[in-house]
Amino acid sequence: DVQLQESGPGLVKPSQSLSLTCTVTGYSITSDYAWNWIRQFPGNKLEWMGYISYSGSTSYNPSLKSRISITRDTSKNQFFLQLNSVTTEDTATYYCARRGGMTTAYLAMDYWGQGTSVTVSS
Amino acid sequence: DVVVTQTPLSLPVSFGDQVSISCRSSQSLANSYGNTYLSWYLHKPGQSPQLLIYGISNRFSGVPDRFSGSGSGTDFTLKISTIKPEDLGMYYCLQGTHQYTFGGGTKLEIK
Repeated sequence: DVQLQESGPGLVKPSQSLSLTCTVTGYSITSDYAWNWIRQFPGNKLEWMGYISYSGSTSYNPSLKSRISITRDTSKNQFFLQLNSVTTEDTATYYCARRGGMTTAYLAMDYWGQGTSVTVSS
Repeated sequence: DVVVTQTPLSLPVSFGDQVSISCRSSQSLANSYGNTYLSWYLHKPGQSPQLLIYGISNRFSGVPDRFSGSGSGTDFTLKISTIKPEDLGMYYCLQGTHQYTFGGGTKLEIK
C-alpha cells in the first residue's frame, strides 16, 4: 500500500527557509505519477504548491515560484520542499500527496500524508 | 487564475439526509481534448484528506455509492445520499485542468 509521511521542523523563524521531507513507501517515486506539496492554512483554505514528476520535472504555483523548490532523493524514495524567505503567512499544515494516473484517478490526488504543522514565528 | 467557488460554506444535516454541494469555476474546466479534471475530497479532523470522486463522477476505490458527482464546464455537484456519521467533515473540490485550485470548502456538520 502506498504511504506518504511528512517530516521537518515545526517552527521556523521569519525570513528563514522552510524545509520538509516526504518519505514514500510502497511505490517508487521514479516509476510514475507526480509528487505534490499542498498546504492548509488556519481557517482551512487549501493551496497547491507544486510537484516533482517521476521523471524529475517540476511545476510550481505561480504565486510561490520565486520562493519554492521541490527536489528529490531517488535512493531514499523521498522528495523535498524548500520555501525561502518565509513570513507568518506561511504558517500552515503541509501535506505531501501523490497525483494519480489518468486511468486510476484522472490526475486527482489519490494518496496523502498525514500532514505536518509548521509555524513561522520569531 | 482560475477561481473555484464552493457553496454552501456550512451544511447542517441530520443522519439519513441527502445533500448537495456546489463547485463553480471562473472558467471552463474542459481542456482542448474534452478532459475535465475535477475531483472531490473529504477531510476529517486529525486525518489526511481522502479522495472521493475523480474526473467529475468516478468514485475512487472503496468510496461508498452514496457519494456521486456530476456536472460539466464550470458547474459541478457532489451529492451525498443517506448521510452517515462518518461523512461529517470538510468537503473540497479541486480543479486540475489549469494547474490546481481548491474550492474554499464546505463543512458538513450535525444540526
